[in-house]
Amino acid sequence: LAKTTQPISMDSYEGQEVNITCSHNNIATNDYITWYQQFPSQGPRFIIQGYKTKVTNEVASLFIPADRKSSTLSLPRVSLSDTAVYYCLVTGGFKTIFGAGTRLFVKA
Amino acid sequence: DTEVTQTPKHLVMGMTNKKSLKCEQHMGHRAMYWYKQKAKKPPELMFVYSYEKLSINESVPSRFSPECPNSSLLNLHLHALQPEDSALYLCASSQEAGELFFGEGSRLTVL
Repeated sequence: LAKTTQPISMDSYEGQEVNITCSHNNIATNDYITWYQQFPSQGPRFIIQGYKTKVTNEVASLFIPADRKSSTLSLPRVSLSDTAVYYCLVTGGFKTIFGAGTRLFVKA
Repeated sequence: DTEVTQTPKHLVMGMTNKKSLKCEQHMGHRAMYWYKQKAKKPPELMFVYSYEKLSINESVPSRFSPECPNSSLLNLHLHALQPEDSALYLCASSQEAGELFFGEGSRLTVL
């Protein structure tokens, strides 16, 4: 499984766009990139998944360059309730391994 | 129904006790997972069941014993645990190898 590297923490203000970048240099051809959000004492929650180019849903966008060695999760206009840990995963098969995650703190 | 239900939410046990954690899903998912999460750390994969068969065991000590009685249920039997096993235990399910749906977790304290 490809190892992922992402910033340990990030700060932002309400209303700003937040971009969290993840590197996954050894991603395999069949792997997908998946992002989860986790609040304290809760299970992680799926945010978005992509294979290449750009994916957008109602909460986020995921940008993946052609070489797929990195990806960027974009959260538009964050609010205080977006304060959480965000995990980038490379997923292929059942062995779903979480990396260290990025702690996002949104300030008023 | 898009929920994964875990019971109990909290469990306190002594090192000589035998207890079980339970997980249930009714989404028709064929894969179920156990994760262990310590404070301020990412979830660590413990076991994966696929079609009711154990497909992944991440070298978990034998004092943790998983069981999948049917496609909707997943148990984790606990025996002779150590204080360092205190953690949040998360259950998840997925359709094949897709998006994971997590429960709220069972907070375990071993005295």
